[in-house]
Amino acid sequence: GDSVTQMEGPVTLSEEAFLTINCTYTATGYPSLFWYVQYPGEGLQLLLKATKADDKGSNKGFEATYRKETTSFHLEKGSVQVSDSAVYFCALTERAGNTPLVFGKGTRLSVIA
Amino acid sequence: GAVVSQHPSRVICKSGTSVKIECRSLDFQATTMFWYRQFPKQSLMLMATSNEGSKATYEQGVEKDKFLINHASLTLSTLTVTSAHPEDSSFYICSARDRGLYTEAFFGQGTRLTVV
Repeated sequence: GDSVTQMEGPVTLSEEAFLTINCTYTATGYPSLFWYVQYPGEGLQLLLKATKADDKGSNKGFEATYRKETTSFHLEKGSVQVSDSAVYFCALTERAGNTPLVFGKGTRLSVIA
Repeated sequence: GAVVSQHPSRVICKSGTSVKIECRSLDFQATTMFWYRQFPKQSLMLMATSNEGSKATYEQGVEKDKFLINHASLTLSTLTVTSAHPEDSSFYICSARDRGLYTEAFFGQGTRLTVV
């Protein structure tokens, strides 16, 4: 079945550092790919998405490119802020809306001033 | 994006009592909603898939008699934790997707349940 593997955290960075969180996936077809962010004590928010190969999703300075050849969707940000401290989840779907997304285990990011 | 509203955000209850958590899709019809449980610093654990007008589908290991799910309308699903015990204390999150293929999921704000 489908699966998502993302790098284990926690990841600790200094403010203004470059961020990469790796995400690779296994799917039988051509899934849509997502990154979600969860701030402490809150639910998940969609950060960005990509629906086909070579698409780049971007939002709030974060970017991820759908790489079919490497089955990857790595999250990047050029300069992190303390407010980016959160848990980041990579997810996919290649099914209809009556099935849940497939999530990675999440990567906790802490940004220190 | 679409909005999913979850209520309450926090609840404290006594051991042995029941607690109901509501999940509403505010601007779209969710024929299917999903309930997750999240332990501290851990990933999401899918508990059940809730289908409007029919019985929920529970994941393996989830007690259906303890975690009662009702999805009576296209915009409301409820999770009732029955006869709660301290080990049921956790963060519960609901989610809904629109009907189409490849669509994203929208999440509620989560409910922090503490059983004392």
